[in-house]
Amino acid sequence: TQLLEQSPQFLSIQEGENLTVYCNSSSVFSSLQWYRQEPGEGPVLLVTVVTGGEVKKLKRLTFQFGDARKDSSLHITAAQPGDTGLYLCAGNNAGNMLTFGGGTRLMVKP
Amino acid sequence: DSGVTQTPKHLITATGQRVTLRCSPRSGDLSVYWYQQSLDQGLQFLIQYYNGEERAKGNILERFSAQQFPDLHSELNLSSLELGDSALYFCASSVAWASGRSNEQFFGPGTRLTVL
Repeated sequence: TQLLEQSPQFLSIQEGENLTVYCNSSSVFSSLQWYRQEPGEGPVLLVTVVTGGEVKKLKRLTFQFGDARKDSSLHITAAQPGDTGLYLCAGNNAGNMLTFGGGTRLMVKP
Repeated sequence: DSGVTQTPKHLITATGQRVTLRCSPRSGDLSVYWYQQSLDQGLQFLIQYYNGEERAKGNILERFSAQQFPDLHSELNLSSLELGDSALYFCASSVAWASGRSNEQFFGPGTRLTVL
């Protein structure tokens, strides 16, 4: 069974601070996706990383896929209250399933 | 708006009952996935269909079943409901079922099931 561990589970910070969320596994994934979910809504796809070492930027969000394609990180610069939500990483194996991490619940206080 | 629709939005029922959740994938997507999200277990993959055929099974109980119809919409049937089945049920769709970008999954808004 492939497992993805996310850390931290909870993060409460002030507006303007930087933060990093980690997603780690002992398994290799063919690609990895990051989602953001707000209460009562479905996860929204933020980015897909495919190549080991790949870095993608989405405004103030920077996503990195580990060289060995076993881990990933999400860095948010100058967090804003609108960034509040549940961040989920999901690893895609060569088959059909996404394996989701447990999520990081982020709260950004104004 | 992801383009994936789910009905109903909320469902309240009693133990022992049977319910059907419905999902319409994004236009052009052939794969449909069902997930269960509860507070204590995160997002759990249940089952996947591709172009009408079952492709993968996750932690789906025998009391649960699904199907994908010729028009590609899918239904998840939950029977003999128990209190522990209360959760959010999400449907997602993707273009295909291979790895990489072609398996980017887009989620619907979910159905909140409450079993009393």
